[in-house]
Amino acid sequence: DADVTQTPRNRITKTGKRIMLECSQTKGHDRMYWYRQDPGLGLRLIYYSFDVKDINKGEISDGYSVSRQAQAKFSLSLESAIPNQTALYFCATSDLRGEQFPNTGELFFGEGSRLTVL
Amino acid sequence: RKEVEQDPGPFNVPEGATVAFNCTYSNSASQSFFWYRQDCRKEPKLLMSVYSSGNEDGRFTAQLNRASQYISLLIRDSKLSDSATYLCVVKDSWGKLQFGAGTQVVVTP
Repeated sequence: DADVTQTPRNRITKTGKRIMLECSQTKGHDRMYWYRQDPGLGLRLIYYSFDVKDINKGEISDGYSVSRQAQAKFSLSLESAIPNQTALYFCATSDLRGEQFPNTGELFFGEGSRLTVL
Repeated sequence: RKEVEQDPGPFNVPEGATVAFNCTYSNSASQSFFWYRQDCRKEPKLLMSVYSSGNEDGRFTAQLNRASQYISLLIRDSKLSDSATYLCVVKDSWGKLQFGAGTQVVVTP
């Protein structure tokens, strides 16, 4: 089983619908992230959380919200989906050491959730 | 201007050959550098960190040129399984990871 699990893996929805993407991890990491990937663009950070009580906006948070339900769970919501939110979404985790030791920058990604908004 | 720029490729490489490609970054205060590998429709995975003095991991060699603000990845004796997209990742001075859009490598028989 994957250490970082995302559901659903694929979803097609219509404009205006509310969508939730869920992420759970068994790595025991405190830090969790949501990224989106679009063709020709690098992964862009939507939101991140350093612990259950800490939520931070990334570079493209407009139109998204998140919830950190537990150390192991971090969900991403699109309150009213629009077509330009069609993308591949990745959840990721990292160990605290990723910040204390600059050369340790490893993110552990889930398998991705492909979202299509019609 | 993008903070991290990569040639998208594809770099078509015969099996057994050597391929190298670069990644440029705009923030001179960037602290750390990494190469990730992403197979088609899969999640990115860390390939290797890039150290100031350059480093090797088997057939893979990474170099950092701070003066010219680029990092490079060289793959020797290419295997069919090396076909993937290679993402350049730069940790900025605030600790945030900035991803390049990736360089596609296609190794052909």
